[in-house]
Amino acid sequence: GAVVSQHPSWVICKSGTSVKIECRSLDFQATTMFWYRQFPKQSLMLMATSNEGSKATYEQGVEKDKFLINHASLTLSTLTVTSAHPEDSSFYICSAREEGSHQRYDQPQHFGDGTRLSIL
Amino acid sequence: AQSVTQLDSQVPVFEEAPVELRCNYSSSVSVYLFWYVQYPNQGLQLLLKYLSGSTLVESINGFEAEFNKSQTSFHLRKPSVHISDTAEYFCAVTSSGGYNKLIFGAGTRLAVHP
Repeated sequence: GAVVSQHPSWVICKSGTSVKIECRSLDFQATTMFWYRQFPKQSLMLMATSNEGSKATYEQGVEKDKFLINHASLTLSTLTVTSAHPEDSSFYICSAREEGSHQRYDQPQHFGDGTRLSIL
Repeated sequence: AQSVTQLDSQVPVFEEAPVELRCNYSSSVSVYLFWYVQYPNQGLQLLLKYLSGSTLVESINGFEAEFNKSQTSFHLRKPSVHISDTAEYFCAVTSSGGYNKLIFGAGTRLAVHP
């Protein structure tokens, strides 16, 4: 149980294009999903918290107009990297918390397999 | 503010030897602690977690971790490692005040050699 599917797993595109990454919770509902960025051999950096039916909460230093997040349903959140440039190349990982209640802080997050984004 | 320190960036070890991956945290409130494992080009998989109760928690593949409040530590151990345990291991903390934000350590690369 508690499977999170992330698509695509790998994308290569030209500089200036926009790329959309999908994150789906397959067998549970997720009020809250999280988007992380991971540079090679480094830890995960939280970019934003995605809340179903409301605006995402971005971490300090993350450009919300650059990284558009939409959480239109309880099983799907999308991250769109707009006008991507080579410096946006990275490994992007989403996660979803299994419990629907905002009060269940002890519920672990379940992670997708990540998306390797390469901008040429 | 919370923080997690993983003291070793890399831990090389021979197959069937014991291993300990160290994790210390800093928090002014009660915490929940997690260990995640990441294989190359994959997301993170939950290895084990401490929420409350017994301070010693175990995973299904032989890992265990002990929550030590006085030392603010949550070290991960395995008495005998396998080649397949080679991966990146992340310690993480969250609390009731953090809206379930996970704060990750920098990670420890466990390399098991034959």
